Amino acid sequence: QQPVQSPQAVILREGEDAVINCSSSKALYSVHWYRQKHGEAPVFLMILLKGGEQKGHDKISASFNEKKQQSSLYLTASQLSYSGTYFCGTEPFNDYKLSFGAGTTVTVRA
Amino acid sequence: NAGVTQTPKFQVLKTGQSMTLQCAQDMNHEYMSWYRQDPGMGLRLIHYSVGAGITDQGEVPNGYNVSRSTTEDFPLRLLSAAPSQTSVYFCASSPGFRQPQHFGDGTRLSIL
Repeated sequence: QQPVQSPQAVILREGEDAVINCSSSKALYSVHWYRQKHGEAPVFLMILLKGGEQKGHDKISASFNEKKQQSSLYLTASQLSYSGTYFCGTEPFNDYKLSFGAGTTVTVRA
Repeated sequence: NAGVTQTPKFQVLKTGQSMTLQCAQDMNHEYMSWYRQDPGMGLRLIHYSVGAGITDQGEVPNGYNVSRSTTEDFPLRLLSAAPSQTSVYFCASSPGFRQPQHFGDGTRLSIL
C-alpha cells in the first residue's frame, strides 16, 4: 500500500521554507526521500530508520515519527535548484517492498 | 562505473506484442526492482529481487514477468502488451534492504 503525501504541489519564492508530509498505515522500519527533476530519474536524498532520528542534506532535512508512522521533509531557505518532484518511500517492518507516495511537486521561483 | 543501465530508452509497441526491457547494474547490488511511473500516481513497484534466483511480486505485477539469473541483470518481460501498460519504467538497485536506491534513466514505453 502506497504512503500518502501532502501537499500535492507547492510554489515557493527563493528563500522561503516548505514542509512535505508522508504518512503510512503500516508500521515502518524506514522512510526514504528522493527528488526527481523533469525527464530524469529519481535521486536519493536521505533515509531515516526507526528511532525518530532527523537527517539533513544541505538545507533539506527530514524527521521520522515512528509512533505515528509519519515523516516530514523540510526545505529551508529554498533555492531554485530545489525545484522538482519529491517522493517518499516507505519500508514496513515485515516486508522488503519499498513503496512510494504519489509525489509532491515543488516549484521555486526567483 | 555505469551504475544502472536500462535499454531501450524509448519503445513503441502494438497491442498484443511482447518485449523485454533490459536492466543491468555493475555495482554488485543484491537488491533490484522495477517500477512504473504514471502521472499523478508516483512510482509503483512491479517486481523485485533480493538476489540471483529470487524474485517476488510488487504492487502491480499483472502482465509482467521477471527473472534473475545473475546478480547484474534483471529483465522485465511484457507478455502481451496492452495500452494500460503505457508508462515510464524505472529499474533500481541497492546493496540490500533499507539501503538507498540507485535508479536507471528509465524506458519510455508507448503501446498503441
